[in-house]
Amino acid sequence: SQQGEEDPQALSIQEGENATMNCSYKTSINNLQWYRQNSGRGLVHLILIRSNEREKHSGRLRVTLDTSKKSSSLLITASRAADTASYFCATDANRGNTPLVFGKGTRLSVIA
Amino acid sequence: NAGVTQTPKFRVLKTGQSMTLLCAQDMNHEYMYWYRQDPGMGLRLIHYSVGEGTTAKGEVPDGYNVSRLKKQNFLLGLESAAPSQTSVYFCASAGTGREKLFFGSGTQLSVL
Repeated sequence: SQQGEEDPQALSIQEGENATMNCSYKTSINNLQWYRQNSGRGLVHLILIRSNEREKHSGRLRVTLDTSKKSSSLLITASRAADTASYFCATDANRGNTPLVFGKGTRLSVIA
Repeated sequence: NAGVTQTPKFRVLKTGQSMTLLCAQDMNHEYMYWYRQDPGMGLRLIHYSVGEGTTAKGEVPDGYNVSRLKKQNFLLGLESAAPSQTSVYFCASAGTGREKLFFGSGTQLSVL
């Protein structure tokens, strides 16, 4: 079963607006990662946030992590049509070689 | 530097046929993974490997076998294909810290 669950399942916004996606998970983690998938392509790593970090930035991306609520959010500021993609969170559990577990993703559509 | 290469990109099988999907990475990564992606299901882990000569079951291993005889290659086999195995298959690899997965471009498999 999936560890991370993204919310909402789909999001449609206008170009220039901000997009916020949320991820909830169930067990303790070492880190949480966000990935992007353009239609028909493989996933691409966006950003990683460690369990002892609360916020991280990378360009127009801002990720927060609240370990007490077991949740994370990904904010894309000033969205562009090229940001249209699916976004997945993946959790790295705090247990040896346990593989990353991906959520079902949020489908973001940015309308020009 | 090719990254992660999957072959073939597309394949159509008849029920009961067998095939092997090849994943090759040139980054000297220890970890390799096979996922399947179905509409609305996100990514589900089939099998994974934590190093040359090792394999382990993921979330949905039934009907698949894997081998990691060489560090750079991870093979996924379907012994007797079933329509339920129609999916997009992704291979990924990661270095020792597993802080970033690198994905191949996927294999679209249809079983008729």
